[in-house]
Amino acid sequence: AQKITQTQPGMFVQEKEAVTLDCTYDTSDPSYGLFWYKQPSSGEMIFLIYQGSYDQQNATEGRYSLNFQKARKSANLVISASQLGDSAMYFCAMREVNRDDKIIFGKGTRLHILP
Amino acid sequence: DVKVTQSSRYLVKRTGEKVFLECVQDMDHENMFWYRQDPGLGLRLIYFSYDVKMKEKGDIPEGYSVSREKKERFSLILESASTNQTSMYLCASSSGTGVYNEQFFGPGTRLTVL
Repeated sequence: AQKITQTQPGMFVQEKEAVTLDCTYDTSDPSYGLFWYKQPSSGEMIFLIYQGSYDQQNATEGRYSLNFQKARKSANLVISASQLGDSAMYFCAMREVNRDDKIIFGKGTRLHILP
Repeated sequence: DVKVTQSSRYLVKRTGEKVFLECVQDMDHENMFWYRQDPGLGLRLIYFSYDVKMKEKGDIPEGYSVSREKKERFSLILESASTNQTSMYLCASSSGTGVYNEQFFGPGTRLTVL
């Protein structure tokens, strides 16, 4: 069974609009961390934001925020005021404490920002 | 500035060749990882290492081996390259235990096996 599910293979969004990228996860470990990475066409993976399972508040980093709904096992990435440079592949990922330091990645969502 | 470098951005090899992909990190990280990335499949873990001379199989180790003789260097080896190993290969490193230990990635090597 997939541990990280990203249901949107691709999305098209108008510049300056907000966009939500979906991510659901599956774990029985009470302690885990959730990550979002961005991969532009150049190929490098860029860390965006992190949410710990015990964090009380949703993580925010500039225009990025993570909508963490623990009971639903959901960790959606929200990008406010999208820009053309946000066009990229986005990966949701999870680390479970009891699985040591391995990170499991979703299959990704390709985001296209339209001018 | 943290840095993970990979020896080549693009590589073309022939079937049956032995291929070495090198990864070096300058952050004194204990953990290093090799992934392959294919369209529609995301990143899949091939091998990882928690320390020098240690290695652990990931989810898809078949056809690959690794070497970690020094802390900063983690090599991925394709003993006899095959066309189904054409892919993007990404190396990553992280500092150690704890949940919030992001992985830092190299720029990737796009390998084509003809």
